[in-house]
Amino acid sequence: QITLKESGPALVKPTQTLTLTCTFSGFSLSTSEVGVGWIRQPPGKALEWLALIYWDDDKRYSPSLKSRLTITRDTSKNQVVLTLTNMDPVDTATYYCAHTFGEVLRFDSWGPGALVTVSS
Amino acid sequence: QSVLTQPPSASGTPGQRVTISCSGSSSNIGSNTVHWYQQLPGTAPKLVMYYNYHRPSGVPDRFSGSKSGTSASLAISGLQSEDEADYYCAAWDDSLRGPVFGGGTKLTVL
Repeated sequence: QITLKESGPALVKPTQTLTLTCTFSGFSLSTSEVGVGWIRQPPGKALEWLALIYWDDDKRYSPSLKSRLTITRDTSKNQVVLTLTNMDPVDTATYYCAHTFGEVLRFDSWGPGALVTVSS
Repeated sequence: QSVLTQPPSASGTPGQRVTISCSGSSSNIGSNTVHWYQQLPGTAPKLVMYYNYHRPSGVPDRFSGSKSGTSASLAISGLQSEDEADYYCAAWDDSLRGPVFGGGTKLTVL
């Protein structure tokens, strides 16, 4: 059974850097074709794809946020970390991590999400 | 404003068939596959359709997907109260060089 869970600060100040950790079980990020992605959802709004890292350390980023995003993995800890720099109130959202097998948009298992509020 | 356009709302009565549309362009739906997600209130999204018309295991066969040209649709037959949720389409966009989600459709079961 695949499970994922997001963790990180619930509140960050404008201009700070957000660091979120996705801890997963039930699969290995060393297995061919496996990937873990991040998707966010501002309150009452639509989903937005952020980033994805594959089993071979191939990394993909949203073109509109690429300059602010970094995704890394720690296969020994079964974790994927997302950092988003220069946080702004418009970045307030629930951040989800999710598992994929091959395709950048085919997420078959999701974490419950973590709400991050950006406010001074 | 998403490049994938969905109606903000849809509704139907129990037992009815409803269809949710997702309109795009030649750079996204017209040249790439479409996936659909269901998001029940207060929960994470769930994949209900992938590669245009493939259902993940566990998704009832009441759900079906289709694609034609630059548009895609998700149909739900035999509508049930548990189907009340937000539905999102998603596809890769060649022009934007990234994945995009639609704006979402809130399905209400009357």
